[in-house]
Amino acid sequence: GENVEQHPSTLSVQEGDSAVIKCTYSDSASNYFPWYKQELGKRPQLIIDIRSNVGEKKDQRIAVTLNKTAKHFSLHITETQPEDSAVYFCAASDGNNRLAFGKGNQVVVIP
Amino acid sequence: SAVISQKPSRDICQRGTSLTIQCQVDSQVTMMFWYRQQPGQSLTLIATANQGSEATYESGFVIDKFPISRPNLTFSTLTVSNMSPEDSSIYLCSVLRPSYEQYFGPGTRLTVT
Repeated sequence: GENVEQHPSTLSVQEGDSAVIKCTYSDSASNYFPWYKQELGKRPQLIIDIRSNVGEKKDQRIAVTLNKTAKHFSLHITETQPEDSAVYFCAASDGNNRLAFGKGNQVVVIP
Repeated sequence: SAVISQKPSRDICQRGTSLTIQCQVDSQVTMMFWYRQQPGQSLTLIATANQGSEATYESGFVIDKFPISRPNLTFSTLTVSNMSPEDSSIYLCSVLRPSYEQYFGPGTRLTVT
């Protein structure tokens, strides 16, 4: 099955700086790559996603890039704010819409 | 997105008992899924809840332990059977929207003593 790895496990950034989280996946058949943000005690919230026919997608301060050849995708958060502090999960989906998640990254934005 | 609710939101259960968790969506969806999130961990897919047929389980999960029902396109249940402390987790349902995005319910926090 699909194996998704996520690095680094914890990321601390100064407010206003950028944060980048990288994930790699193993199954070349995976075609959908969402990112979820989970605040403490809350459900995972879909923040951005990308499909395999697209190389980059941007939504305000967040962007995702996909390199299918290398089988990795990354989340970029610019101008970080304290409310960006959370655990971020990447995931990969096969053609059956089953999601395999990475272990998650704790992002801490230091005011 | 969809409005997804789960019942109960949390429960404390004795080992050896069973708990049924309900997931309700405000509109019809083609696919519903059940995940488990152990304390401080990532999400693991338990099964795909199929409407009108048996659920499709992932490796490591079996129907006898996690029976699932999906009687219609807006509702599903997950039962955690013969519970042990290792079953203490958050159980979340998710739904697939036509855009292929998955949205999660609020989760059910289960503690087994």
